[in-house]
Amino acid sequence: EVQLVESGGVVVQPGGSLRLSCAASGFTFNDYVMHWVRQPPGKGLEWVSLITWGGGGTYYADSVKGRFTISRDNNKNSLFLQMNNLRIEDTAFYYCTKGRGSSTTSSFDYWGQGTLVTVSS
Amino acid sequence: QSALTQPPSASGSPGQSVTISCTGTSSDVGGYKYVSWYQQHPGKAPKLIIYEVTRRPSGVPDRFSGSKSGDTASLTVSGLQAEDEADYYCSSYAGSNNHVFGSGTKVTVL
Repeated sequence: EVQLVESGGVVVQPGGSLRLSCAASGFTFNDYVMHWVRQPPGKGLEWVSLITWGGGGTYYADSVKGRFTISRDNNKNSLFLQMNNLRIEDTAFYYCTKGRGSSTTSSFDYWGQGTLVTVSS
Repeated sequence: QSALTQPPSASGSPGQSVTISCTGTSSDVGGYKYVSWYQQHPGKAPKLIIYEVTRRPSGVPDRFSGSKSGDTASLTVSGLQAEDEADYYCSSYAGSNNHVFGSGTKVTVL
């Protein structure tokens, strides 16, 4: 059974930093593209970032480019999101999602339960 | 990228059908076969119900179907059931290794 478990969401001040983690199990982690998707409370979904299966390709939404860094450790079946210079508008549930295949075009077939990041002074 | 446009709400009685549209541009929906749909119940994570415009993952009832014409994709839920009441989001590959989601549609079963 595929499982994705996010952690690391807390309350942080504007301008602060945070690192989210996602522990994956139930599939061959290094065969798949992985994504982060976020959702402000009560609002819609926003794609944030993806990383290719080997970690050599990383891509970002314009809203987070230059501030967020996605990474993965295939030896530990883990996905990460380093978030710097956080803004109030970054407040959201952050979901770790598995790509349906190894292509960057693939849909998001499994989702974690989400971790809440709150940016507030 | 701008969010894809979905109607804020849709509704139908049990047994009826409801269709949700998802309008983008030739740079996303119209340009690729990689449109997917997600169902999200309150307080839960989204669930993939349609991928590559028309395909259903294993376990998703065939009451759910997808289509696309030009820059607009559609999700049809036939034979509405109470458990279909949820928020629905479309998503599309948008080129250059980017993805974009729709604004979301709340489906109410009357």
